[in-house]
Amino acid sequence: GESVGLHLPTLSVQEGDNSIINCAYSNSASDYFIWYKQESGKGPQFIIDIRSNMDKRQGQRVTVLLNKTVKHLSLQIAATQPGDSAVYFCAENMSGGTSYGKLTFGQGTILTVHP
Amino acid sequence: KAGVTQTPRYLIKTRGQQVTLSCSPISGHRSVSWYQQTPGQGLQFLFEYFSETQRNKGNFPGRFSGRQFSNSRSEMNVSTLELGDSALYLCASSLFRTDTQYFGPGTRLTVL
Repeated sequence: GESVGLHLPTLSVQEGDNSIINCAYSNSASDYFIWYKQESGKGPQFIIDIRSNMDKRQGQRVTVLLNKTVKHLSLQIAATQPGDSAVYFCAENMSGGTSYGKLTFGQGTILTVHP
Repeated sequence: KAGVTQTPRYLIKTRGQQVTLSCSPISGHRSVSWYQQTPGQGLQFLFEYFSETQRNKGNFPGRFSGRQFSNSRSEMNVSTLELGDSALYLCASSLFRTDTQYFGPGTRLTVL
């Protein structure tokens, strides 16, 4: 039969623009969230993480915002560059019990940066 | 510090065969998790090992198994391969179970 793949959201931006990638997470008990970047042919690369006792965390050119009320996570990339083109995944984890070491991933968002 | 390494990088097998994939974590990392990535299902958790013991397991059939050695290196095995097992298999390591997971490049398995 015909295979059906995930239809990933896409975001196209111009070089130098700011990008915002959104993610809705599923488990209200999750307390650790991570953003990964995956380029073609490579494994996911860690970008930034945030724990549930924070609502904002900044890194180099990236900011993660966490809204626990609506279970929403966003990744902001400042001055987006062509090298930022990739698939971006959010992942969640619930510490404790049987959830240690298990990340639950979102479907991913394809970011394309045009020069 | 060297990252997570996975071998082999590419593998082609036929239905019914079995396969073993290897993962060497970042030096000093003690927890290793395995994930399957497919276009249809995305990234899905397979299992996690810490101190040579499987601590957590995803919703995969018993054909998928793994182990961890005393040096934290890990292997996963898939027996009686099916076409649907074609995927990118990713290994991730972390210092301890609650820490950030860092991924290897993956092993691309194709089942014919």
